[in-house]
Amino acid sequence: EAGVTQFPSHSVIEKGQTVTLRCDPISGHDNLYWYRRVMGKEIKFLLHFVKESKQDESGMPNNRFLAERTGGTYSTLKVQPAELEDSGVYFCASSFRRVETQYFGPGTRLLVL
Amino acid sequence: AQSVTQLDSQVPVFEEAPVELRCNYSSSVSVYLFWYVQYPNQGLQLLLKYLSGSTLVKGINGFEAEFNKSQTSFHLRKPSVHISDTAEYFCAVSRSGSGNTGKLIFGQGTTLQVKP
Repeated sequence: EAGVTQFPSHSVIEKGQTVTLRCDPISGHDNLYWYRRVMGKEIKFLLHFVKESKQDESGMPNNRFLAERTGGTYSTLKVQPAELEDSGVYFCASSFRRVETQYFGPGTRLLVL
Repeated sequence: AQSVTQLDSQVPVFEEAPVELRCNYSSSVSVYLFWYVQYPNQGLQLLLKYLSGSTLVKGINGFEAEFNKSQTSFHLRKPSVHISDTAEYFCAVSRSGSGNTGKLIFGQGTTLQVKP
């Protein structure tokens, strides 16, 4: 069974550009989470989907971040326009039920110059 | 709100020695507790979790943790570490019961460096 995959693994962009991160959860997992780790800080929750619906987006930093999960399968996280402070590692995780183990992807390392 | 504090950012230890990685949490509600490990260039992997029941939880790779409600701690232990245990370890909590959304609150991480 394939695990959670994320694309790209690395992205280097300039301030003001747009970047889209993609997450493919484990097949059948209705719950999909996005987290971010800024260098030197803890991993922080961004948002939670149940199928295609946003259940909790309390961790989204601002309106430059847009997450979607069309059809309840893969999810995208778009940052537009990117700022220097958006640099970090973006993790995606999925689970079958909320209480069950979250399986994490390898992360996307974003560097905004 | 919940918060997690991992008391050591780095823990160096010699191979075959015991190790304890400390984790304290703060919460006004009951929580579930987790330890995740991240090996270089990989995603986070669940080591163990406490949902209810016995306060001593055994996980993968010989790790165990003990939930201490009075001290609000969930320290991770291994009696004898191996070079392959070198990684970053994260303690995390989430609300328990009907208030659970799956949202994880993480500590800052502890890097375990196992030396030969």
